[in-house]
Amino acid sequence: DTAVSQTPKYLVTQMGNDKSIKCEQNLGHDTMYWYKQDSKKFLKIMFSYNNKELIINETVPNRFSPKSPDKAHLNLHINSLELGDSAVYFCASQGLTEAFFGQGTRLTVV
Amino acid sequence: GENVEQHPSTLSVQEGDSAVIKCTYSDSASNYFPWYKQELGKRPQLIIDIRSNVGEKKDQRIAVTLNKTAKHFSLHITETQPEDSAVYFCAASKGGGADGLTFGKGTHLIIQP
Repeated sequence: DTAVSQTPKYLVTQMGNDKSIKCEQNLGHDTMYWYKQDSKKFLKIMFSYNNKELIINETVPNRFSPKSPDKAHLNLHINSLELGDSAVYFCASQGLTEAFFGQGTRLTVV
Repeated sequence: GENVEQHPSTLSVQEGDSAVIKCTYSDSASNYFPWYKQELGKRPQLIIDIRSNVGEKKDQRIAVTLNKTAKHFSLHITETQPEDSAVYFCAASKGGGADGLTFGKGTHLIIQP
C-alpha cells in the first residue's frame, strides 16, 4: 500500500493551460510538502502545510496554488503554465523525522 | 533560512572502493540531517539519518558523521557496488513541525566496474 501517492505521473500540456496535481498520504502525518526538481536535479521546497495550514510559501509565482482539503491530501494547482514550469514535482509527507516522497509528476509544458 | 552546500557534484569510484560525500549547513538550529538516494526516474528515498545529539551512525556499508561545531556532515559508503550508482542528497532541518528539508544540490555517484 503506497504511503504517498500522487497523480498523474506524467503531464504534458500547452503553454497557458491550467493543470492540477493531486497528492494523498496514508501515514497519518500532519505535515505535507511540494518540492520542485529542475533539470539539474535540484530539490527545492515550494510549499509546506501542517494540518491543512500553510506554513511555508517559498518564492513561488502566485500562479501556483496549493490546496489541502484535509491533512491527508495536498493538491497543487498551476494556472497559465509557462515553459519554465517544466520539471518534476514531488509531494512529500513528514512525521517527526523521515520525509516520504511520492513518485513524482513529470510536467512538460510545450 | 537554512543553506546546505554539498560536494562533490559528481563522484566516480571503482567498484569495491569507498565513497565520501560532504555537506555543510548554515543554521545552527538545524538538528536533523537525512541522506536520500535517488535512482534514475525514481523518488528520493531515505538511506540514513542522524540527529544533532549523535556524532556518528552506521548501517551496514553506509555511515554518517556529524560535526556540529563545524556545521558539516558526511556520508561514507564502503565496498561500493554497482547498485550504489545514483544521485545522493543531503538535507538539514529543525526536525518535526513543518520547517521542511533543505536539500543540498546532490552528488551523482558513479560506480565504475
